[in-house]
Amino acid sequence: NAGVTQTPKFQVLKTGQSMTLQCAQDMNHEYMSWYRQDPGMGLRLIHYSVGAGITDQGEVPNGYNVSRSTTEDFPLRLLSAAPSQTSVYFCASRKEPPGRTGELFFGEGSRLTVL
Amino acid sequence: AQKVTQAQTEISVVEKEDVTLDCVYETRDTTYYLFWYKQPPSGELVFLIRRNSFDEQNEISGRYSWNFQKSTSSFNFTITASQVVDSAVYFCALSEAQGDSWGKFQFGAGTQVVVTP
Repeated sequence: NAGVTQTPKFQVLKTGQSMTLQCAQDMNHEYMSWYRQDPGMGLRLIHYSVGAGITDQGEVPNGYNVSRSTTEDFPLRLLSAAPSQTSVYFCASRKEPPGRTGELFFGEGSRLTVL
Repeated sequence: AQKVTQAQTEISVVEKEDVTLDCVYETRDTTYYLFWYKQPPSGELVFLIRRNSFDEQNEISGRYSWNFQKSTSSFNFTITASQVVDSAVYFCALSEAQGDSWGKFQFGAGTQVVVTP
């Protein structure tokens, strides 16, 4: 099983450029989310989605857009990259059983550097 | 609001020593779930354990054990007889099952474990 697939794994951008981080999962999970990981700060939620057509903001949504047109895909768009967005980005998904007990399944991460 | 605190930034041990990672959480929900994840130097995040708020039974799995105490809002993790392969960053996380925060995982800042031969 592929699980959660993120592309690209590495990207260097210049300030002001835009780009999209792709995330796809093949586990038919309803819930998908994006996190960023910065040293000493753990993982912080950017945006999440509980199903196709439904998205919501997390803890640090500014500067990022998402959409969920299919169950499988959840792309993260950086509209105008800033050096503060230099980070490692993780996409994660989970099943939504009653009680929402599912653990998160993570992609391998995407390391983004903004110059 | 939910919050997870991992006060230990880094723990260094010599192989075969035991190491305990502390996790303290805050939540107003009565139903919630606690998790531990491991992030080895290769960078992927590996799920280790999930506990719900109604199950305070502690668990042992091989060299790993977990101590969940609602009275002190703690969910500590112990590695017994540590090995070099245990070197990683360990994250504690909380997910509320009700209220405005459902669907959102709150992670702690992580504890770096360094095991030297």
